[in-house]
Amino acid sequence: GQNIDQPTEMTATEGAIVQINCTYQTSGFNGLFWYQQHAGEAPTFLSYNVLDGLEEKGRFSSFLSRSKGYSYLLLKELQMKDSASYLCAVRGDDYKLSFGAGTTVTVRA
Amino acid sequence: DTGVSQNPRHKITKRGQNVTFRCDPISEHNRLYWYRQTLGQGPEFLTYFQNEAQLEKSRLLSDRFSAERPKGSFSTLEIQRTEQGDSAMYLCASTGGGRGDTQYFGPGTRLTVL
Repeated sequence: GQNIDQPTEMTATEGAIVQINCTYQTSGFNGLFWYQQHAGEAPTFLSYNVLDGLEEKGRFSSFLSRSKGYSYLLLKELQMKDSASYLCAVRGDDYKLSFGAGTTVTVRA
Repeated sequence: DTGVSQNPRHKITKRGQNVTFRCDPISEHNRLYWYRQTLGQGPEFLTYFQNEAQLEKSRLLSDRFSAERPKGSFSTLEIQRTEQGDSAMYLCASTGGGRGDTQYFGPGTRLTVL
């Protein structure tokens, strides 16, 4: 089975940095994805990690440690539009994505 | 490339009625997925197609649910004899390989069963 854990909520101030952690226990591993989802909208792809280390993409970075079953998404220079749910998803050997419940990030002025 | 599209965006129906949703994937994407998402949860896998072949169905997909992808392009998801517990957002995603074989999601169909 798949077990993916991430915090339910986080709050941060505009311009600050927030780190969203994700731990997983899955049968098989073929990559970890982060998606952003605004309320009532579809998830949009943010980042992909399959090897250990840090992937940087503008204000967003994602880190993976396969041996620890751990990833984080780092959001820098937070903007109000970054208020959303952030979903951690793991792809197993079967090409299916298993999602965590999502972390709701609220950015305050 | 216009992205994944889904129709309708919203559907309100009475319990016991049948509903059908449509998903048009990104052109030339050979793999298509259906997910269901309820409030405060991440998407849950329902089924997926490789071209026109349905390769896997989740145990979440009861006998009242059926999905097709007849020509390997668009797909339909039908729910028969809807129940209130079917109320959710139904998401479609497609992928065509590339780095990470990333799944790209459509806007979803929000179903409300009264």
